[in-house]
Amino acid sequence: GNSVTQMEGPVTLSEEAFLTINCTYTATGYPSLFWYVQYPGEGLQLLLKATKADDKGSNKGFEATYRKETTSFHLEKGSVQVSDSAVYFCALSESGSSASKIIFGSGTRLSIRP
Amino acid sequence: DADVTQTPRNRITKTGKRIMLECSQTKGHDRMYWYRQDPGLGLRLIYYSFDVKDINKGEISDGYSVSRQAQAKFSLSLESAIPNQTALYFCATSGVSGRTDTQYFGPGTRLTVL
Repeated sequence: GNSVTQMEGPVTLSEEAFLTINCTYTATGYPSLFWYVQYPGEGLQLLLKATKADDKGSNKGFEATYRKETTSFHLEKGSVQVSDSAVYFCALSESGSSASKIIFGSGTRLSIRP
Repeated sequence: DADVTQTPRNRITKTGKRIMLECSQTKGHDRMYWYRQDPGLGLRLIYYSFDVKDINKGEISDGYSVSRQAQAKFSLSLESAIPNQTALYFCATSGVSGRTDTQYFGPGTRLTVL
């Protein structure tokens, strides 16, 4: 079945460091790919998405490129801030108009030191 | 006002009690979902509903039931709560935009079963 694997946390970085959170997926067909972020005490929010191969999603300085050849959707940010501390979830939406289900990775907790 | 609301936000109950968690949305979406979040496991789908007359089991539906009272309301019930149902519960909604199905999450309900 479809699945998402992301790097285990926690990840701790200093402010202004470069961030990469790895995500790989297994899927049949052509899923859409997402990164969701969960700030402390809140629900998940969509951070960015990509719907087809080679698409790049971007938002708030974060980027991720849909790589079909490596089945990956790694999240990157060039210079992190304390306010980026959160849990990040990689996810895929199963293809097919009747599916509409999202499969989430286990989440990666990110902590940024001032 | 929040687009997806959940009540209660926190609940402590005892083993064997019946519990209902409620979700309301003002986004006008047809599709609604219930997830539970456990540390290190990401989000797991309990039930989902594509419209008022359509209810489907997710991957962990045992011990839970749902009711879709209206397009905007989707309730989750634990008929006889047990301690391993202690978790963070999220409701989500989605519309359909082409083939990309972004989900919008409520703030969560923290449930503790003693």
